[in-house]
Amino acid sequence: AQKVTQAQTEISVVEKEDVTLDCVYETRDTTYYLFWYKQPPSGELVFLIRRNSFDEQNEISGRYSWNFQKSTSSFNFTITASQVVDSAVYFCALSEADWGKLQFGAGTQVVVTP
Amino acid sequence: GAGVSQSPSNKVTEKGKDVELRCDPISGHTALYWYRQSLGQGLEFLIYFQGNSAPDKSGLPSDRFSAERTGGSVSTLTIQRTQQEDSAVYLCASSSRTPETQYFGPGTRLLVL
Repeated sequence: AQKVTQAQTEISVVEKEDVTLDCVYETRDTTYYLFWYKQPPSGELVFLIRRNSFDEQNEISGRYSWNFQKSTSSFNFTITASQVVDSAVYFCALSEADWGKLQFGAGTQVVVTP
Repeated sequence: GAGVSQSPSNKVTEKGKDVELRCDPISGHTALYWYRQSLGQGLEFLIYFQGNSAPDKSGLPSDRFSAERTGGSVSTLTIQRTQQEDSAVYLCASSSRTPETQYFGPGTRLLVL
């Protein structure tokens, strides 16, 4: 069963628009970790953010912000004032095991045009 | 400092041949992971190492796949008698401990003809 669902396959925006990526996860564990990774056309997975299940505080880091809501099992990610360099596939991932095995969603392709 | 490195970056092989993929984790990282990314299956976990031992091999798709890690550092993923469905990008990641953030290498793109 898919534990991480990214319902959006592709999102296209014009530069400077905001982009919100949805992620819904499923777990019975009380302690777990959620991640967002970016995969640009070069192919390398780049770590963006991580949240622990016991910390629901939402933060902003530069142009990135996230909304973690345990009540709805969602971990959404927003890019503010998008730029062309933000064009990439974005993956949401869940880690339940103590040793950190990542379970990825299918990814959302973000296309930012000038 | 240096990130995770993988070699080769690209590998083309013929069906039935064996291939070895190498991963050099970030220095000092004790945990090492292998994942596979293919069009049909997305990103899949293969195997996890803590030091030189592999507590979880549950993601290896068949007994043609094996991996080892020596000296708590370099890891090699071996695929024997390759099949066309093995074509994918093989990604390696490491973390300083578990369950810390995993940092990924650039991957090895494997094409089996």
